[in-house]
Amino acid sequence: ELKVEQNPLFLSMQEGKNYTIYCNYSTTSDRLYWYRQDPGKSLESLFVLLSNGAVKQEGRLMASLDTKARLSTLHITAAVHDLSATYFCAVDMVGAQKLVFGQGTRLTINP
Amino acid sequence: NAGVMQNPRHLVRRRGQEARLRCSPMKGHSHVYWYRQLPEEGLKFMVYLQKENIIDESGMPKERFSAEFPKEGPSILRIQQVVRGDSAAYFCASSPTVDTQYFGPGTRLTVL
Repeated sequence: ELKVEQNPLFLSMQEGKNYTIYCNYSTTSDRLYWYRQDPGKSLESLFVLLSNGAVKQEGRLMASLDTKARLSTLHITAAVHDLSATYFCAVDMVGAQKLVFGQGTRLTINP
Repeated sequence: NAGVMQNPRHLVRRRGQEARLRCSPMKGHSHVYWYRQLPEEGLKFMVYLQKENIIDESGMPKERFSAEFPKEGPSILRIQQVVRGDSAAYFCASSPTVDTQYFGPGTRLTVL
């Protein structure tokens, strides 16, 4: 059974600081996704990572994938308040069309 | 191109009633997925459908829950005889093929 674990689950940080969210998964997967969710809202797709060593960046967020370690990271650079949200990673199961989600990381950025 | 549409956005039911949640996929998308999110948790897969076919229902509870995606019209997630534990946000997603899933705004079900 595929399991996806994120850490930390809660993160409170100051504006301007850097931090990393980690996503581990237990078995081989086709793709890894990062989503953002604001309170009471739907999920916004941030990144899709397809292959080992993939790195994608959008603004202050950068995601990377190491398929050998079964690890993805979401790095936040010089955080700003607008990035406060819950971030989920999700993994495709090989041969199946369903996403398995991590527990989510609730990120709070304080002025 | 409108995104994935779900209605209603909020639904309140009393225990024992039925809940019907609707999902219209993005134009050109023939794959529909339903997920459930309990408070403070991640999303859990429920069912994957294509037009007139249930492809994978491994995440669906065995009783009271059913889903369909007819040839015409939206996909429907139906919950019979709702209980308080069914209170959650239900998200629908769609994709054109085996590809990135795009999520709708969700239906927040409250069972009194």
